[in-house]
Amino acid sequence: GAGVSQSPSNKVTEKGKDVELRCDPISGHTALYWYRQSLGQGLEFLIYFQGNSAPDKSGLPSDRFSAERTGGSVSTLTIQRTQQEDSAVYLCASSLGQSSSYEQYFGPGTRLTVT
Amino acid sequence: AQSVTQLDSQVPVFEEAPVELRCNYSSSVSVYLFWYVQYPNQGLQLLLKYLSGSTLVKGINGFEAEFNKSQTSFHLRKPSVHISDTAEYFCAVSVTGNQGGKLIFGQGTELSVKP
Repeated sequence: GAGVSQSPSNKVTEKGKDVELRCDPISGHTALYWYRQSLGQGLEFLIYFQGNSAPDKSGLPSDRFSAERTGGSVSTLTIQRTQQEDSAVYLCASSLGQSSSYEQYFGPGTRLTVT
Repeated sequence: AQSVTQLDSQVPVFEEAPVELRCNYSSSVSVYLFWYVQYPNQGLQLLLKYLSGSTLVKGINGFEAEFNKSQTSFHLRKPSVHISDTAEYFCAVSVTGNQGGKLIFGQGTELSVKP
């Protein structure tokens, strides 16, 4: 079956612009996670959704970052007024439920470059 | 808080040799343990996980890991590596329970298998 998909695969933007990154989880997966992978910081958790609610937003680095999930499916991560330090690969993952024992399935990521 | 330390950033090894990738974790609460692999320009794939029970866990592609609670370690091993095992390997933990399974990752170990 289809895995987690993310779009775009690559995004180059100018400093100060807003960007939207999209994640389509595996059908039926109620939990959705966003992570960021960068050279300096490694792999960091950003936000977790259970259904359309976000019980854990503790990893969002600043108020320029926001995310939403609609219909218990697609999620969008928005970065406003992008900065060069936002350059990274943004990974989305989904799992069957909120138990931490469930496997997370990762998408291929969106590579964001801020110039 | 939880933290994960991968003791080697790079591990070069010859084909058909054994390999061990080391991982230590710190947590004041019960955690699950995971190893993920990331091939070049791809998302993360689960290799194996420890939830409970036998401390020796077998995963895909001939990898195995041993959970050692007293040493807070979860080292990954393979008795004979192939060129195709060249990738980056991430150790991760998540807090047990049903409050969401955000993963806390180590910095990664780059395994390079040479002919």
